[in-house]
Amino acid sequence: AQKVTQAQTEISVVEKEDVTLDCVYETRDTTYYLFWYKQPPSGELVFLIRRNSFDEQNEISGRYSWNFQKSTSSFNFTITASQVVDSAVYFCALSEAFGNEKLTFGTGTRLTIIP
Amino acid sequence: GAVVSQHPSWVICKSGTSVKIECRSLDFQATTMFWYRQFPKQSLMLMATSNEGSKATYEQGVEKDKFLINHASLTLSTLTVTSAHPEDSSFYICSARVRATTLTDTQYFGPGTRLTVL
Repeated sequence: AQKVTQAQTEISVVEKEDVTLDCVYETRDTTYYLFWYKQPPSGELVFLIRRNSFDEQNEISGRYSWNFQKSTSSFNFTITASQVVDSAVYFCALSEAFGNEKLTFGTGTRLTIIP
Repeated sequence: GAVVSQHPSWVICKSGTSVKIECRSLDFQATTMFWYRQFPKQSLMLMATSNEGSKATYEQGVEKDKFLINHASLTLSTLTVTSAHPEDSSFYICSARVRATTLTDTQYFGPGTRLTVL
């Protein structure tokens, strides 16, 4: 069975600080995908990144960066120089690589950026 | 690209009535759509996987007779909550899987439908 753990329920940081959201996953599959989604107060899920299990390169996109470490089954997300618009709930998710690829979500981390 | 819409965005109904929620992929064809529900301050829980032209696959614990899913075309899937009760009040979100040469093979989500059953 697949499982995604986001141990941080809520995080608050002051604007311009860096913040890292943790994600730890469990799967028996050797090939899988990892995702991060952002859910602002409006409710719509915004896709941020998709990473397959064979690609352990870290990725940077603007102020966002992701650190994938297979050895520790972690896929952490860092926001540098946080802004108020980053306030949202962030979900880490895992899917199988074959078949219907249904997503298993973590419980989410509510991030509040304090101006 | 990869826009998914849902209609309605919110609905209030009386207990015992049925409610239909539509999920459309606007600029791509989606062979697979997923339906999730999310209770306040909780995560998304997959309810069912919907493949065009075939019966939906429901997750364990989801009543297929209560949550009717129809995926009649490559751009439309519907979820009907039959004989709704207050405990069915939730945020229902659909997603569509993109399989295109120019887009990443991933799921894109609709904006959600908030259902309140009185």
